[in-house]
Amino acid sequence: AQSVTQLGSHVSVSEGALVLLRCNYSSSVPPYLFWYVQYPNQGLQLLLKYTTGATLVKGINGFEAEFKKSETSFHLTKPSAHMSDAAEYFCAVSDRNTDKLIFGTGTRLQVFP
Amino acid sequence: EPEVTQTPSHQVTQMGQEVILRCVPISNHLYFYWYRQILGQKVEFLVSFYNNEISEKSEIFDDQFSVERPDGSNFTLKIRSTKLEDSAMYFCASSEYSGGSRETQYFGPGTRLLVL
Repeated sequence: AQSVTQLGSHVSVSEGALVLLRCNYSSSVPPYLFWYVQYPNQGLQLLLKYTTGATLVKGINGFEAEFKKSETSFHLTKPSAHMSDAAEYFCAVSDRNTDKLIFGTGTRLQVFP
Repeated sequence: EPEVTQTPSHQVTQMGQEVILRCVPISNHLYFYWYRQILGQKVEFLVSFYNNEISEKSEIFDDQFSVERPDGSNFTLKIRSTKLEDSAMYFCASSEYSGGSRETQYFGPGTRLLVL
């Protein structure tokens, strides 16, 4: 069965610092991978996704993630954090045989001035 | 920009009561989903719906749950007899194609359900 692990329920960074949010998955077949962001009182918004092709995926708001099959990882990064990046981030996985997304437990990102 | 909307934003109900959570998906989307998130836990898939039929459901989605598209715009989740453990945030989502789930699922802001 597929599963997603997000290491670190809370991550704190200073404004301008590197953001690194970790996501590892388990899947018996090459998966589709997603990062969603949730701002307070809002729905889940897609940041980026990997389906096929280039393993480095660029998303909105300066975020990117790299699919590393050998490490079964899909970590989310941003070179320089902004105060507006403070939110909860969810990694999710699905495969070709289903429409359902399987989510990790989420990581709350705090950005300090 | 089109968005998925959900009503109500919060609902409090007594155990054993029926609740209906409402969603308006993005207008040209054909696939609809419900997910839920119990406080402190993962977002969990409940059900997907296409062409007026359930296309996939999780083991959570038992006989107490049902979904319906009563008209051309609304998509509802009914819980027939609520239990305490149904307290959660319920998210509706929609997507334009199935495409093996490669198409983006757009999520609504959620309905927070509290069962007393």
